Amino acid sequence: QKEVEQDPGPLSVPEGAIVSLNCTYSNSAFQYFMWYRQYSRKGPELLMYTYSSGNKEDGRFTAQVDKSSKYISLFIRDSQPSDSATYLCAMISNTGGFKTIFGAGTRLFVKA
Amino acid sequence: DAGVIQSPRHEVTEMGQEVTLRCKPISGHNSLFWYRQTMMRGLELLIYFNNNVPIDDSGMPEDRFSAKMPNASFSTLKIQPSEPRDSAVYFCASSDPGQGGSSGQPQHFGDGTRLSIL
Repeated sequence: QKEVEQDPGPLSVPEGAIVSLNCTYSNSAFQYFMWYRQYSRKGPELLMYTYSSGNKEDGRFTAQVDKSSKYISLFIRDSQPSDSATYLCAMISNTGGFKTIFGAGTRLFVKA
Repeated sequence: DAGVIQSPRHEVTEMGQEVTLRCKPISGHNSLFWYRQTMMRGLELLIYFNNNVPIDDSGMPEDRFSAKMPNASFSTLKIQPSEPRDSAVYFCASSDPGQGGSSGQPQHFGDGTRLSIL
């Protein structure tokens, strides 16, 4: 079993829809949670960064962490065609030093 | 602000040749990471450095791969001899020390080197 599981998609939604992206994990030591967005032929770009459980909102994006269920989510409101990209979840444990564990990434297509 | 800079952006070479990928991390960042990304295996950590010292190279696939960080502003990843199965996108990322040099800092990626071995 992988440490981090993420559905690779693809996920296709109409413009304006609410998008929900999710990851599950098995290591209870994970404390730092991130979402990266990767456009084609570009490097992953940090989108959201949260520590421990709770919600964090930034514009149209909301990140949620539920440590009791070992489940994290990224919500995108009013999705735009420009949101079409691959979204990778990532995690760092409080005992793993600097090593980041990435999910496989979910490909999202937002249709105009 | 300048981000992580990688060169070359694209490299096409024949099997058996030596390949050298270069990375300049963000100024002030003291951790540097090399990743390989393929469709089949996703993003794989190859090696990472902290304060120019290699900390974990367990992801380096075999002895044909080597990485160096001679100073805080430069790192190389070398493949010798290269093989077709090494074809992938190679990313470099860096992170800053954070408060008190703690772990858990997010990484910032370059745009990668797309490597094709014929």
